[in-house]
Amino acid sequence: QVQLVESGGGVVQPGRSLRLSCAASGFTFSYYDIHWVRQAPGKGLEWVAGISYEEHNKYYADSMKGRFTISRDNSKNTLYLQMNSLRADDTAVYYCAKRDPAYIYAMDVWGQGTTVTVSS
Amino acid sequence: SYELTQPPSVSVSPGQTARITCSADALPNQYAYWYQQKSGQAPVLVIYKDTERPSGIPERFSGSSSGTTVILTISGVQAEDEADYYCQSGDSSRTYVGFGGGTKLTVL
Repeated sequence: QVQLVESGGGVVQPGRSLRLSCAASGFTFSYYDIHWVRQAPGKGLEWVAGISYEEHNKYYADSMKGRFTISRDNSKNTLYLQMNSLRADDTAVYYCAKRDPAYIYAMDVWGQGTTVTVSS
Repeated sequence: SYELTQPPSVSVSPGQTARITCSADALPNQYAYWYQQKSGQAPVLVIYKDTERPSGIPERFSGSSSGTTVILTISGVQAEDEADYYCQSGDSSRTYVGFGGGTKLTVL
């Protein structure tokens, strides 16, 4: 079945780095834009970044620019999020989501999320 | 930035109709999407392109649009519909994504 599985979350000290991964299966990964969305504890959804299907275009929320880098390896069906200079307010569940042109670029498939906790 | 405004909460009794609004100046020019998120779970797409329903989503979920406001309507609300609902839109070049603050639907 169509599936996205995030990994790489954990507890990290402020100022350190972490790389998240999102493994895709059940669909042709290289055909679709994929995005990261996060959710702080008790808060709403916040868009983080997105990458086009061929990797040529990358987009970031203003608050993430310069600290986060999105990338993908279509040969491995995997999306990444490199997070540097982490802060306490980056603590959140991080979801990857596929955007499908059949749904006019809605996020039609989501992973279950990976939890990042930034704390000393 | 791209601000979408939703009411924090909506409450209805079972069998009644719930309406959740989402407002933004750019909505007349952009499609809106709605996601349902139950406690501890990932979001699920329930409406796309303002009014369309993905396969597998019950017919009681519908969407509408009027000017700068889009509305998610849940007819004949059931206890299982209790969840947080988020609207989402973005720019026409797909370079930016914005989410509303979310609305908690309580089924009394």
